Amino acid sequence: QVQLQQSGGELAKPGSSVKISCKASGYTFSNYYISWIKQTTGQGLEYTGYINTGSGGTNYNEKFKGKATLTVDKSSSTAFMQLSSLTPDDSAVYYCAREGAISFDYWGQGVMVTVSS
Amino acid sequence: DIQMTQSPSFLSTSVGDRVTINCKASQNINRYLNWYQQRLGEAPKLLIHNANSLQTGIPSRFSGSGSGTDFTFTISSLQPEDVATYFCLQHNSWPRTFGGGTKLELK
Repeated sequence: QVQLQQSGGELAKPGSSVKISCKASGYTFSNYYISWIKQTTGQGLEYTGYINTGSGGTNYNEKFKGKATLTVDKSSSTAFMQLSSLTPDDSAVYYCAREGAISFDYWGQGVMVTVSS
Repeated sequence: DIQMTQSPSFLSTSVGDRVTINCKASQNINRYLNWYQQRLGEAPKLLIHNANSLQTGIPSRFSGSGSGTDFTFTISSLQPEDVATYFCLQHNSWPRTFGGGTKLELK
């Protein structure tokens, strides 16, 4: 069955970076994009961007350019999102989701990132 | 960016009620709209894709309709396990954008 398994929660200091992962299984990894979504109580759901898992090409929401960097390791069917120059506003739950013929049909379980000194 | 305006943001309901939620897009998104259920502490679950297509394995009490800018999601007879937050997503263009969510609670 399709699964997107995300890495564990992160506690990070302001100004630092974190890299979270999303490991796919149960389907052909390179046939689907992986998108990333930020969820907070205040702002709701925000689309960060996607990575073409076949070519490595990326597309970022303007709001997250310079904040998020999306990469992929095809050998392990894993997508990554690095968040840099962290501030408390980056504290959120981050989800990965598969995007293909049916957009956002499967989601990872989410990763809570907490930015605090 | 396409703005998705979802209403209502909160709904107090009873088991057996018919529940209707609306999403309005700021521009034409054809039928590229999905509906999701998110229970507390869980990942979103796809219920309806492309405005009116029921995702595999989802009960038939859930349905969707609409095209262009106005969309409706319906639960025909609310069950206790349907207590959750529901939201819409447009995937007509990038960046994808989401409705603000509708939280269902039992009276």
